[in-house]
Amino acid sequence: GESVGLHLPTLSVQEGDNSIINCAYSNSASDYFIWYKQESGKGPQFIIDIRSNMDKRQGQRVTVLLNKTVKHLSLQIAATQPGDSAVYFCAESPNDYKLSFGAGTTVTVRA
Amino acid sequence: KAGVTQTPRYLIKTRGQQVTLSCSPISGHRSVSWYQQTPGQGLQFLFEYFSETQRNKGNFPGRFSGRQFSNSRSEMNVSTLELGDSALYLCASSVDGSNQPQHFGDGTRLSIL
Repeated sequence: GESVGLHLPTLSVQEGDNSIINCAYSNSASDYFIWYKQESGKGPQFIIDIRSNMDKRQGQRVTVLLNKTVKHLSLQIAATQPGDSAVYFCAESPNDYKLSFGAGTTVTVRA
Repeated sequence: KAGVTQTPRYLIKTRGQQVTLSCSPISGHRSVSWYQQTPGQGLQFLFEYFSETQRNKGNFPGRFSGRQFSNSRSEMNVSTLELGDSALYLCASSVDGSNQPQHFGDGTRLSIL
């Protein structure tokens, strides 16, 4: 069945360094991918998305890379800040009105 | 613009009871989706509605149901509650649900005693 997973459940990063969060997906039919950030007590917050006709997309301090050949997705956060501490989820969709989520990576920023 | 609003934020029920959760989407959004979040299973899709029609449904028992009203507001109902139904129930909305960001509310935390 479909599944979207993250390679590492936790990531500790020094403030000011760049963070890279990885995600593997298994549904070849997926053509839409999205990253969310979830802070304690809140719902997931949209960060950035990418469609399968692209391999890179940049936002403010974030970049998403998509490698369809190996079904891999990554989120890069530049100059990581304490406010970036949260759980990060990737999700995929084959355009069936449903998102399938990975297990999440907990990012902790060290001062 | 107001975000997705879910009520109530917290709910405590006992086994065998039923519960109704409410979701008001972002103004102009016509697609509403529901997800269940637990520590063990993560975020799992329940169902999606658009123009009062359910377009997709996840792998949950028939005790879980939902509906959408003409103003796009949505409710989900869980009957004959079980201990395993304890979870954070999240609602998300988007303009039309097709390969676009879904914006989430802060959820309803349901605890079953």
